[in-house]
Amino acid sequence: GAVVSQHPSWVICKSGTSVKIECRSLDFQATTMFWYRQFPKQSLMLMATSNEGSKATYEQGVEKDKFLINHASLTLSTLTVTSAHPEDSSFYICSAPPGLAAKTYEQYFGPGTRLTVT
Amino acid sequence: DAKTTQPPSMDCAEGRAANLPCNHSTISGNEYVYWYRQIHSQGPQYIIHGLKNNETNEMASLIITEDRKSSTLILPHATLRDTAVYYCIVRVDTGTASKLTFGTGTRLQVTL
Repeated sequence: GAVVSQHPSWVICKSGTSVKIECRSLDFQATTMFWYRQFPKQSLMLMATSNEGSKATYEQGVEKDKFLINHASLTLSTLTVTSAHPEDSSFYICSAPPGLAAKTYEQYFGPGTRLTVT
Repeated sequence: DAKTTQPPSMDCAEGRAANLPCNHSTISGNEYVYWYRQIHSQGPQYIIHGLKNNETNEMASLIITEDRKSSTLILPHATLRDTAVYYCIVRVDTGTASKLTFGTGTRLQVTL
């Protein structure tokens, strides 16, 4: 099946610094990717929809200036957490649908990136 | 998208069938039922989906009631590796590029 990768798998950063997380579709093109955040023992919460070649669409309550999303190619979307604070510590997961050509409605999820802000 | 209700947790003995229920009483005619699961500290994994007919694949079976207000995911022979949180999601399929809204899911613990 289709594979979505994320890099890094885990990262520790100091408060006030910025962290970039990459999401790649390895064997298919994705014009749309989704970014989720998951706090411990909670469900996944959609943060934003990343659109190739255009601006991302953010969910209500998600600060677009804090969580910068860039979808520069059909296989790569990046999420940058700017001026990170301890409350941004979370598990960040991306997903990508393979497109109608794949004749499937499932989505493929990356393995996640665990961010710890100290 | 319609909301879903699932029990917070369930236990199942290894080798036995795991039956995970989901209520979606406000489902509309064009909404599909999807099941995903998330093993600890990993990204979710697609399991199966259906509209109104029962479905089966290599991972599981999906039984949808005739009125479509509830469904059951069946893992026929649960193994320890099936221990995960299982999410039932209902959504309209306007195409593959539509977001998924996750509820709280059911935490399935498979035991020896």
